[in-house]
Amino acid sequence: QKEVEQNSGPLSVPEGAIASLNCTYSDRGSQSFFWYRQYSGKSPELIMFIYSNGDKEDGRFTAQLNKASQYVSLLIRDSQPSDSATYLCAVSRAAGNKLTFGGGTRVLVKP
Amino acid sequence: SQTIHQWPATLVQPVGSPLSLECTVEGTSNPNLYWYRQAAGRGLQLLFYSVGIGQISSEVPQNLSASRPQDRQFILSSKKLLLSDSGFYLCALSVSLSNQPQHFGDGTRLSIL
Repeated sequence: QKEVEQNSGPLSVPEGAIASLNCTYSDRGSQSFFWYRQYSGKSPELIMFIYSNGDKEDGRFTAQLNKASQYVSLLIRDSQPSDSATYLCAVSRAAGNKLTFGGGTRVLVKP
Repeated sequence: SQTIHQWPATLVQPVGSPLSLECTVEGTSNPNLYWYRQAAGRGLQLLFYSVGIGQISSEVPQNLSASRPQDRQFILSSKKLLLSDSGFYLCALSVSLSNQPQHFGDGTRLSIL
């Protein structure tokens, strides 16, 4: 079992719709959770982080964390073609510590 | 704000040649520094991390080594490159003793011929 698992996709969503991405992790000691966006050929860019159970909203992005079920999700509202990228889920035991990444979910937003 | 410099952006090397990739940071002191590799079509794999000068932790056995000669400098090296060393090498930093996440440099794309 991989430590951090994501559906590789591609997840195809029409422009303006909600994209829903899921991530599960195996280490119950994980305390910090991150979503990075990676455009093709570029380095990952942090878009959201969450440390507590529940929802956290930032603009069109919402991260959801459920530590009991060991999953974290990312919602992208009003999806735009510029949101087409690979989204990487990462977890760590503390925010400043080393990250374990999932394989990423490729999202395609179609006009 | 913190800035991460990586160079070169692209590198093509023959099998068996040496390697030295440099990462330098600005805007913070005593950062935690990390080297990741992303093979084609795959996720990010942590290679090394460092919490201070001369302190290196290796995550996976491999053909690479890392050094941290200065607080804001992190170097990835190899004496003899293998074909399997091809990939996208990323340096990242986090501010030690804080609750802030890691940020990445622009990376070096390494191709071994």
